[in-house]
Amino acid sequence: DGGITQSPKYLFRKEGQNVTLSCEQNLNHDAMYWYRQDPGQGLRLIYYSQIVNDFQKGDIAEGYSVSREKKESFPLTVTSAQKNPTAFYLCASTLLGSNQPQHFGDGTRLSIL
Amino acid sequence: GDSVTQMEGPVTLSEEAFLTINCTYTATGYPSLFWYVQYPGEGLQLLLKATKADDKGSNKGFEATYRKETTSFHLEKGSVQVSDSAVYFCALSVTQAGTALIFGKGTTLSVSS
Repeated sequence: DGGITQSPKYLFRKEGQNVTLSCEQNLNHDAMYWYRQDPGQGLRLIYYSQIVNDFQKGDIAEGYSVSREKKESFPLTVTSAQKNPTAFYLCASTLLGSNQPQHFGDGTRLSIL
Repeated sequence: GDSVTQMEGPVTLSEEAFLTINCTYTATGYPSLFWYVQYPGEGLQLLLKATKADDKGSNKGFEATYRKETTSFHLEKGSVQVSDSAVYFCALSVTQAGTALIFGKGTTLSVSS
């Protein structure tokens, strides 16, 4: 079955450490997105990519980095510059074109040790 | 800028009660509107969508009508079940290829038997 796979499901970060969250999709979708979810705040956009080797910052990109070397993959790195990284991270993808819904992975929960 | 406002939760209902979750939006252009549902520890699942004024989206007994005159997209269900307990998100996407969704803050629904 086609879908979006995020790994790991749980991740712990030490002070000063960079960690990378994986997102892979086999839906042949063009666009991919990373959102951060905090309690009571809904989802906020971190980065998105519409095409391989190109990506744009979202509303809260500071302290994060991404790459899009393959259509299927859009990993997110949470750097040590992100001072409050504890959150639930969701990856999504969609076909380009108007009115297309986004499909979501099951998320990665990141906590600080 | 574009935004979505949802009613504050939590919403607590008894089984078979009628559900309404209010959603209003502000947007330039002609957005598509979506309702997503999130079960504990999971990603978001598309519940229903509407792409133009007066469209009615429906799925699993849930309905929402795109009202341009009141800029609203309220979610309704005639008879809720315990299994409907989840967080519900209203979202919009403006008619631009690859644009990320803008989400409301979510409304938690709790249904008791």
